[in-house]
Amino acid sequence: QLHLQESGPGLVKPLETLSLTCTVSGGSVATYYWSWIRQPAGEGLEWIGRRSPSGSTDYNPSLKSRVSMSVDTSKNQFSLKLNSVTAADTAVYYCAHWNYWWFDPWGPGTLVTVSS
Amino acid sequence: EIVLTQSPGTLSLSPGERATLSCRASQSVSSTYLAWYQQKPGQAPRLLISGASSRATGIPDRFSGSGSGTDFTLTISRLEPEDFAVYYCQQYGSSSMTFGQGTRLEIK
Repeated sequence: QLHLQESGPGLVKPLETLSLTCTVSGGSVATYYWSWIRQPAGEGLEWIGRRSPSGSTDYNPSLKSRVSMSVDTSKNQFSLKLNSVTAADTAVYYCAHWNYWWFDPWGPGTLVTVSS
Repeated sequence: EIVLTQSPGTLSLSPGERATLSCRASQSVSSTYLAWYQQKPGQAPRLLISGASSRATGIPDRFSGSGSGTDFTLTISRLEPEDFAVYYCQQYGSSSMTFGQGTRLEIK
């Protein structure tokens, strides 16, 4: 049974790079599809992107120019980088397993605030 | 990009009542690619329904999904206190995923 846990800085300065890691247990990060999703406070869910076992990626068109995703098989982790952040990127960030056509399970989420 | 519109925005009901939540797509969505999630305050969303009508593991049978094309419905047959939460629909298409804006189910 997969279990996911996000980690990373809770505070990022404007125009810097947001970097988050999702540690996977119960399965190999190299075997599955992974996604990042975010949720600003009091708002809905926004899909950020996904990475396949082969390394191919699909990103939300609205974020594509600033996003990258990668895996570290030695640590069984999945990572997100979002460049040139602004206050609009302040949100709870979730990692999730992309299972066929839906997200399951999800990590508990981590709050990232963009502020100087 | 396919836009999902959920209605109503807020639904006020009492325990024991039946809840009907709607998710309408801006263009046709394969039923295979439509899912529903429940989110409680301070928690991550939880998968309820996949493939428009298949309950996820451990989901009570009072939850059911239906629909096709552009109109999908999540029904909770008899509300329990723990069912009051926010519900989201989600679709997959053309290597992209979108969520509806959510329906808040609150206690009347």
